[in-house]
Amino acid sequence: QSVLTQPPSVSAAPGQKVTISCSGSSSNIGKSYVSWYQRLPGTAPKLLIYDNTRRPSGIPDRFSASKSGTSATLGITGLQTGDEADYYCGTWDFSLRAYVFGIGTEVTVL
Amino acid sequence: QVQLVQSGAEVKKPGASVKVSCKASGYTFTYTGYYLHWVRQAPGQGLEWLGWINPNSGDTNYAQNFQGRVTMTRDTSTTTAYMDIISLTSHDTAVYSCARGARDGNFDYWGQGTLVSVSS
Repeated sequence: QSVLTQPPSVSAAPGQKVTISCSGSSSNIGKSYVSWYQRLPGTAPKLLIYDNTRRPSGIPDRFSASKSGTSATLGITGLQTGDEADYYCGTWDFSLRAYVFGIGTEVTVL
Repeated sequence: QVQLVQSGAEVKKPGASVKVSCKASGYTFTYTGYYLHWVRQAPGQGLEWLGWINPNSGDTNYAQNFQGRVTMTRDTSTTTAYMDIISLTSHDTAVYSCARGARDGNFDYWGQGTLVSVSS
């Protein structure tokens, strides 16, 4: 099991919004930046969000994120079929001295 | 443009070792702010971080689970990073990816992944 907890799956209809939670602890999310990654089937992961809330160039503003205490949340608005993928949160864990990922959340567009 | 191109798929027997390469281009390989991390994903599992190498200094940091079994190196003349894993078991069957990032994460570019299959 992972030190970061994510729901296994979320789903919504096209155009709707989904949120994905990522719960950690004071040794990881509580003191480090959180990133979010999207992994489409058969492709390399893509950085969606870094430093808790920032989007790399080219990532649409339909993707947003926040962090509070030891938890973080990714939001996807205007859901599209192309958003069907696995989404991972990640951060540095100071106790483990390692980068840790959540187990991943599968997003399904109904 | 930044590219990380990895070596091809490998099939190994239990107890063997494997070396995966990751050729970087499109940026300054030895820039002090960029580290090369290695991440793997076993079938049906999530992402697992193995460690990083600082291409400038050669310093490494390995995840505790892999210490003693993983070695990361780099060749600055060919801008290539390498990851060696010894004593392979079936549990090491996974897609191994290199990723560029800061020391503590933010993996902005990824290699295409290398499938390592371990089977007798």
